[in-house]
Amino acid sequence: KAGVTQTPRYLIKTRGQQVTLSCSPISGHRSVSWYQQTPGQGLQFLFEYFSETQRNKGNFPGRFSGRQFSNSRSEMNVSTLELGDSALYLCASSYRLGLADYEQYFGPGTRLTVT
Amino acid sequence: DAKTTQPNSMESNEEEPVHLPCNHSTISGTDYIHWYRQLPSQGPEYVIHGLTSNVNNRMASLAIAEDRKSSTLILHRATLRDAAVYYCILRLNNAGNMLTFGGGTRLMVKP
Repeated sequence: KAGVTQTPRYLIKTRGQQVTLSCSPISGHRSVSWYQQTPGQGLQFLFEYFSETQRNKGNFPGRFSGRQFSNSRSEMNVSTLELGDSALYLCASSYRLGLADYEQYFGPGTRLTVT
Repeated sequence: DAKTTQPNSMESNEEEPVHLPCNHSTISGTDYIHWYRQLPSQGPEYVIHGLTSNVNNRMASLAIAEDRKSSTLILHRATLRDAAVYYCILRLNNAGNMLTFGGGTRLMVKP
């Protein structure tokens, strides 16, 4: 079974631009979560989608948004990029929503650099 | 959310057992204890989880204290490939799939 895939793997953008990152979960998984990882703040939860609905949101500004499609693929968008948005963006998928007895599977991440 | 405390770093020799501790004194009765690890330049990887009883899988063992206020991840024979940051995370049932990562323990394995 293929793992979680994220595209692109690397991205360089300029301040003020916007960016869209894509995540394809493991086949059959309907829950997708997004995380931001920076050296200073570590791994922080952005948001979570299940059946095309946002179920949970972390403490990030409205410039960060996401969506999930009917095939469970998800995209996240960051508008008006700032230097501090440079980070590794990770996507995780899970079969079920909310049951703590299930593990999550992470993709390799998208490394975003804002110049 | 209940908080976990882990040492910042630990060192081990290759092919020796490693015991990675985690304190979670404010754990509630329905919190599951999950362990993930992150190898260099990769996304986090699920290792093991448990509720009350000790658990074993092909990667590791999880020993949970009787009062559940602490747990220990056991790697039976560390290899160089086990060098990673290990995260101990508490998950409340039916509270969404959000994982709250702390600083984790950076495990260094010496050949």
